[in-house]
This record gives sequence, structure tokens and C-alpha cells, in this order.
Amino acid sequence: KAGVTQTPRYLIKTRGQQVTLSCSPISGHRSVSWYQQTPGQGLQFLFEYFSETQRNKGNFPGRFSGRQFSNSRSEMNVSTLELGDSALYLCASSADGQLAYGYTFGSGTRLTVV
Amino acid sequence: QKEVEQNSGPLSVPEGAIASLNCTYSDRGSQSFFWYRQYSGKSPELIMFIYSNGDKEDGRFTAQLNKASQYVSLLIRDSQPSDSATYLCAVNSGYNNNDMRFGAGTRLTVKP
Repeated sequence: KAGVTQTPRYLIKTRGQQVTLSCSPISGHRSVSWYQQTPGQGLQFLFEYFSETQRNKGNFPGRFSGRQFSNSRSEMNVSTLELGDSALYLCASSADGQLAYGYTFGSGTRLTVV
Repeated sequence: QKEVEQNSGPLSVPEGAIASLNCTYSDRGSQSFFWYRQYSGKSPELIMFIYSNGDKEDGRFTAQLNKASQYVSLLIRDSQPSDSATYLCAVNSGYNNNDMRFGAGTRLTVKP
């Protein structure tokens, strides 16, 4: 069974640009969540999607957005990149909407903003 | 603000010892509790989850939950050098949605 697939693995972008990250959950998983991980802040919750609906959102500015498609694949977009957006972005999927069994994480996308 | 706090560490134990990792959370409505292990340069992987007060054992790992004290812990018995990693406590406060919050993690080193 394939795991959670995130693409690309690495990205280097210039300040002011925008970026789109992709996540394909485990087959059959309908819940997809996104996290930002930095050494100073740890894992910070961005948003969660279930059946194409955003059910919850963390405390990030509107530059961070996402969506989920009918096949449960999800994308995350960051517009007007800032240096502080440099981080590891992790996608996680769960089989059920209540996260009874926790997450399976993807390998992440390492974003560097220069 | 829903907070999850972990003992900051780093924690160092000799091989074969018991490692004790602690976590407190602020939201009394929290429903489920998780421990993840993250090796350097890798993504987190789920070790255990617990919902009810008391202990839950899985091999060398025991999770303990005390909802009255808003406290969850992870014990690793017979610690091995391969257990050296950062351990993340996660708390889900949502009921019909996902509101999974992570602690900052505790770095554990098991010395041979």
C-alpha cells in the first residue's frame, strides 16, 4: 500500500513568488492535514480537509491556502513568499474524520525562500 | 489557545534504562492523544495512541493518560540506541473535525 506522497521534495523560491505543494494521501484516506515544521516553532497546524471541505484552519495568514480534490489529493499554496516561510511542509492523511488512529505523514517538502 | 507542552529535554539515558517522556495539554475537551517519533531528517511516525485514562502497553512502549491532571506520558523500557529520536506528543481536541496540536518535542538520546 503506497504511503503519503508529497511533491516536490525540495523547492527553492525567491521572496515574493508563490508556490504550490502537492500531497496524495494513502488510498482510501479522506482526511488530509498540512503542517509547517521549523526548528523554532515545531509542528504548526495549517489546515485540514475532509471530503473536499476545509474543516479547520490554524493561525496562519491568508497567504496560505489549500484545497482538496474529489480524489482526496490536496494542494497547498503560499503566495507572496517571505523568508520566514522557509520550512518543512508536512502533509498527513487519516482514514477517518475523527483521527481515531492518528496520522500517516508524508516525507515532506523542504521549502527554502531566498 | 490550545497548548501542548513537553519537557524540553534533551533527555539522555543509558542503554537498557527506562526513558520517561512527559506532556501536558490545556484543553480539557481533548479526545485523543498520540505519541510520534521523528528521526533526524525524517517525518514523524506514529508510535501509540491512547483515549482512556490509565495505561496502554505496546511492546517496550507504555502510554499513560490522566485526563484529570491533563497529563500524558510515554515510557520506553529497555531503551535502545535506535530509540534515539525526537518524540512528539500530539493532542486532538476536535470531535468531528481535526484539531491536532503537537508539542515541541523531546529529544531522546540512548547511550550504548
